[in-house]
Amino acid sequence: DAKTTQPPSMDCAEGRAANLPCNHSTISGNEYVYWYRQIHSQGPQYIIHGLKNNETNEMASLIITEDRKSSTLILPHATLRDTAVYYCIVRVPGVNAGNMLTFGGGTRLMVKP
Amino acid sequence: DTAVSQTPKYLVTQMGNDKSIKCEQNLGHDTMYWYKQDSKKFLKIMFSYNNKELIINETVPNRFSPKSPDKAHLNLHINSLELGDSAVYFCASSQGFNNQPQHFGDGTRLSIL
Repeated sequence: DAKTTQPPSMDCAEGRAANLPCNHSTISGNEYVYWYRQIHSQGPQYIIHGLKNNETNEMASLIITEDRKSSTLILPHATLRDTAVYYCIVRVPGVNAGNMLTFGGGTRLMVKP
Repeated sequence: DTAVSQTPKYLVTQMGNDKSIKCEQNLGHDTMYWYKQDSKKFLKIMFSYNNKELIINETVPNRFSPKSPDKAHLNLHINSLELGDSAVYFCASSQGFNNQPQHFGDGTRLSIL
């Protein structure tokens, strides 16, 4: 799986958009970009994933650059409950790798009132 | 309804003991996983099971023995517990080996005295 680089921490004001960057310059053509988050004392929670196109769901939007070397997770209106560690993961789903997720250090997002 | 449930939530025991952690998912998934999160908060895959069959064992000591009695359950038995086994253990599940998201339990916090 390609390596990802994320800033270790970010702050965001409550109600504002939180933009979390991820660099994955060595991504290969069949690797997906996944985002998970881990709120304190809970298990990781899936947020969104994409291959090439931008994606949006009820939780967030995922913007992938045209060369796919980086992406941004956008939480449009951050709340205090969005305070968590956010993980960007790049992988090829499938049986060869046991379908496992490889977590890095992530970005600790602190949403402040 | 809890999708992926683990028991116990907390486990404190002496070095050298044998203990088990149970995991059940009610999502109808056919693939289950165990992850370990150490004191530095890094999450690492331990095992991956598909249709009750072991798919991947990420160089985990053989003191750790997962057992899957059916597709909805993946239990983790640990023999001769060591201080280094202290961690949070997360169970997860997904449907198939594809790009479907993994759903995590809230973890079992294991402390070895």
